[in-house]
Amino acid sequence: EDKVVQSPLSLVVHEGDTVTLNCSYEVTNFRSLLWYKQEKKAPTFLFMLTSSGIEKKSGRLSSILDKKELFSILNITATQTGDSAVYLCAVGDYFSGNTGKLIFGQGTTLQVKP
Amino acid sequence: EPEVTQTPSHQVTQMGQEVILRCVPISNHLYFYWYRQILGQKVEFLVSFYNNEISEKSEIFDDQFSVERPDGSNFTLKIRSTKLEDSAMYFCASRRGTGMSLDYGYTFGSGTRLTVV
Repeated sequence: EDKVVQSPLSLVVHEGDTVTLNCSYEVTNFRSLLWYKQEKKAPTFLFMLTSSGIEKKSGRLSSILDKKELFSILNITATQTGDSAVYLCAVGDYFSGNTGKLIFGQGTTLQVKP
Repeated sequence: EPEVTQTPSHQVTQMGQEVILRCVPISNHLYFYWYRQILGQKVEFLVSFYNNEISEKSEIFDDQFSVERPDGSNFTLKIRSTKLEDSAMYFCASRRGTGMSLDYGYTFGSGTRLTVV
């Protein structure tokens, strides 16, 4: 059965700290790995990773994929209270019908205290 | 920035009633999806829709569920006879992707919170 596992499930840090969120996966037909931030409702896109070892960066956030060891990390440096959210990892499953469904992990809840 | 729009944002219904959740995907997107998230649990795939037909559905998407794209812009999820366990946040998503690409055009709506009482 395909699965995506995130760790830790929750994390409390103080502003300015650096955090690393983990995502491991076992998906038969891996196509890509996506990170989303979910604050109140809709997940909002952060990164899509398809190739091993290539870091994607956006401001204080960065992410990298290891397709050999089947995991990805999301780093947030100099955290701010606005980073408080649930971070979701999802794997895109290539199916013969090109459905592009996403298989989600359970999420990491990050709380950044002032 | 283009958005996926869902209505209503919150719906309360009695067990056994039919509900229709509505979505307006981004206009040049070709693939459409419904996901649900039961409170405190993972986001789960329900169904994907492409070229006016279902391309894949999960085990959750049984005969009580159906989807339609009635007029080329709306995309609806119907639950025929709601059960208490259907209470969840339902997300619509769309993506433009061509061929096998799974690009960042995958955009989620704000969700409809369905409460079955």
